Amino acid sequence: QAQLVESGGGVVQPGRSLRLSCVASGFRFSSHGFHWVRQAPGKGLAWVAVISYDGSTKYYADSVKGRFTISRDNSKDTVYLQLNSLRVEDTAVYYCARDWSIVVNPSGGLDYWGQGTRVTVSS
Amino acid sequence: DIQMTQSPSSLSASVGDRVTITCQASQDISNYLNWYQHKPGEAPKLLIYEASNLQTGVPSRFSGSGSGTDFTFTISSLQPEDIATYYCQQYADLPPFTFGQGTKLEIK
Repeated sequence: QAQLVESGGGVVQPGRSLRLSCVASGFRFSSHGFHWVRQAPGKGLAWVAVISYDGSTKYYADSVKGRFTISRDNSKDTVYLQLNSLRVEDTAVYYCARDWSIVVNPSGGLDYWGQGTRVTVSS
Repeated sequence: DIQMTQSPSSLSASVGDRVTITCQASQDISNYLNWYQHKPGEAPKLLIYEASNLQTGVPSRFSGSGSGTDFTFTISSLQPEDIATYYCQQYADLPPFTFGQGTKLEIK
């Protein structure tokens, strides 16, 4: 059974950085792309970023472009999200999700999700 | 970017009721639409993919229909365990892969 476990969240001051991790198990990690999706307090789900199975293709939401970086380490079955220049409006639970496409660019179908890690940006 | 308009934003229904949620895309997305269920503190769960296909293991009381710009999600007989927030999500083109605003479903 596919499983995703996020970590790395916490409380951070505006302008600081944080790195989130998502460890995958139960399937062939290197065959799938991965997404990060966030949910701000009282708000709905918002797509943040995606990385292809081989790390060659990445896309970002306009709200995080230039500040966040998605990456992966296929030797550790782990996806990362580096959050720089954090703003109060980045406060959210961040979810990692698997793209269902196999060994092709991500299609946008998110078939397995983690339970999320909370990021709070506050002075 | 493609915008997704979901309604209603909240819904109260009784056990056994038929529940319907709609989602409208700002442009033609064919059938590139998913529906997710999200319970507080849990991982979101894929229920319906490609507008009308039931994900493996999902009860048959859940269904989806539509294509182009207008989509519908239905629970044929509401159960207590269906209390959650439901989201549509389009994946028709290059990112961003936008979600609807969500529908919070409560038991009356």
